[in-house]
Amino acid sequence: AQSVTQLGSHVSVSEGALVLLRCNYSSSVPPYLFWYVQYPNQGLQLLLKYTSAATLVKGINGFEAEFKKSETSFHLTKPSAHMSDAAEYFCAVSANTGNQFYFGTGTSLTVIP
Amino acid sequence: NAGVTQTPKFRVLKTGQSMTLLCAQDMNHEYMYWYRQDPGMGLRLIHYSVGEGTTAKGEVPDGYNVSRLKKQNFLLGLESAAPSQTSVYFCASSLQGNGNTIYFGEGSWLTVV
Repeated sequence: AQSVTQLGSHVSVSEGALVLLRCNYSSSVPPYLFWYVQYPNQGLQLLLKYTSAATLVKGINGFEAEFKKSETSFHLTKPSAHMSDAAEYFCAVSANTGNQFYFGTGTSLTVIP
Repeated sequence: NAGVTQTPKFRVLKTGQSMTLLCAQDMNHEYMYWYRQDPGMGLRLIHYSVGEGTTAKGEVPDGYNVSRLKKQNFLLGLESAAPSQTSVYFCASSLQGNGNTIYFGEGSWLTVV
């Protein structure tokens, strides 16, 4: 069984501050892990993806995430928030077998000028 | 570079009416999905397909039917719409399962009154 938990449905940061969005997963097999971003009234876009090649994954727009197996976590970070980062962020997990993705409930990021 | 295209984008239905949402992808993907997005609940899988002529139930299939007669199209039908089906619907596709990246359409906003 697989699931994803995103801690904090709403996160606010000041412009220029560190962004940290938390994601913990449960999976019975080594997973693939994803972060997607959704801007208002749009579909989801892939930010980054963990495929076991490297534990630190770099994505678009300066975001990165680190896979920590011991903590079953895949937190998303960005050193310096920009106003354009305001969006909804979703963590997702998929096993290396099977056909389904499992999404977290999302974290809404607000960037304060 | 269309990717995943959904029609219609907006629709208002009366309770009991029927409608079909059309999804088309031009990436030659085998897998296609229909999700619904509701506030605080993230994305929930309605139905999915692992290839032309196949369909399978997801997490919340009741009240919906799907068909995949052509590889590039995945139709979502509501036979008798209910207010509980007011939601944003997203179609998505992936090359295969097993951790392949999912690509999303722009969404279809459905209101049932």
